[in-house]
Amino acid sequence: GAGVSQSPRYKVAKRGQDVALRCDPISGHVSLFWYQQALGQGPEFLTYFQNEAQLDKSGLPSDRFFAERPEGSVSTLKIQRTQQEDSAVYLCASSPSAYEQYFGPGTRLTVT
Amino acid sequence: GQNIDQPTEMTATEGAIVQINCTYQTSGFNGLFWYQQHAGEAPTFLSYNVLDGLEEKGRFSSFLSRSKGYSYLLLKELQMKDSASYLCAVRFEGGQNFVFGPGTRLSVLP
Repeated sequence: GAGVSQSPRYKVAKRGQDVALRCDPISGHVSLFWYQQALGQGPEFLTYFQNEAQLDKSGLPSDRFFAERPEGSVSTLKIQRTQQEDSAVYLCASSPSAYEQYFGPGTRLTVT
Repeated sequence: GQNIDQPTEMTATEGAIVQINCTYQTSGFNGLFWYQQHAGEAPTFLSYNVLDGLEEKGRFSSFLSRSKGYSYLLLKELQMKDSASYLCAVRFEGGQNFVFGPGTRLSVLP
């Protein structure tokens, strides 16, 4: 079946612009995670959803970052007033259980 | 914080065996995962350990010692396609998120 998909794959934003990154998880997966991955580093946790409930948002770096999953399926990560330090790959992962996560290809965000 | 440590880079020869180590803070440990990530691609799941001992899956094996806060990923009969980053990730109690290490970039040479 289809894996996790993310769009856009690449996004260039001017500093100060707002961006919205989309994640389509594997159908039926209850859990959804967002991570930020800087070049040459491991992914860093941003936020976690169980169905439509955002149970953990402790990793969101500032109040400019906002995530939602209103119907318990597709999720959107929004970054307001982007800054250069927001440049990274944003990974989405979904999971049917506590044992493994299936990652999407990521969105590479470049803020100029 | 919950630090996960791995070597930054390793090099090995095709056909050889390589061991990638991972150490972590033991407090609240609730499972350890290894992922493979090729450049520009998403991480893919390799293995999961929650009890002490060795888990074998084909050419890949993963070992865990909970008391030592230590794991390793063993790759046998290395192939060129094994050149990738290998990420160690730990789940801690009280949360569903994983804490990832910085990754070990493995280069397999002919």
